Amino acid sequence: DQQVKQNSPSLSVQEGRISILNCDYTNSMFDYFLWYKKYPAEGPTFLISISSIKDKNEDGRFTVFLNKSAKHLSLHIVPSQPGDSAVYFCAAPQGEGSQGNLIFGKGTKLSVKP
Amino acid sequence: EAGVAQSPRYKIIEKRQSVAFWCNPISGHATLYWYQQILGQGPKLLIQFQNNGVVDDSQLPKDRFSAERLKGVDSTLKIQPAKLEDSAVYLCASSHWGGRNTEAFFGQGTRLTVV
Repeated sequence: DQQVKQNSPSLSVQEGRISILNCDYTNSMFDYFLWYKKYPAEGPTFLISISSIKDKNEDGRFTVFLNKSAKHLSLHIVPSQPGDSAVYFCAAPQGEGSQGNLIFGKGTKLSVKP
Repeated sequence: EAGVAQSPRYKIIEKRQSVAFWCNPISGHATLYWYQQILGQGPKLLIQFQNNGVVDDSQLPKDRFSAERLKGVDSTLKIQPAKLEDSAVYLCASSHWGGRNTEAFFGQGTRLTVV
């Protein structure tokens, strides 16, 4: 049973436009969410996070929105750049303590075309 | 600051053979994680260490997988005997022990192919 779901395996956008990546979750006990970015042959790197007490967190071109009633979050990238082409994972920590004990979604491969 | 180091980067073995992966976490990080990422899936946690003690190994297939972190620093993950379905990227991550905003850092991973 997937607790974190990314239903779009891939997304293609034009450079300069907005990229919107979606994530749904089933466990209402999740209190924190993260987005990781992964390039081929590299490990995932942390991108942005949001606490369940907030509905929006912004960091430069990246904004994450959380809708707790719908158990849905989304990552917006504006404007999209070719260097943003990567696989994006949505994740939620389980257990106590730090972020590292994570449940990941399957990922969405973003392609930004020049 | 040096990142999480993993070796080897790639490994090809035949089924029923054994294999071991090594991880050296970021200096000072008390918490170490091993993840398995099968092609097309997200990473799945296998085991979490806090110093040299196991915090969570609920998803580790203990009949064939083992992991240790004897001195609370580097760690090894072993598979014996390997099955075809063990083909995956094995990722190591480390972090300080702290709250939800304590970031975990991942290594580049070891790609295992079982033939």
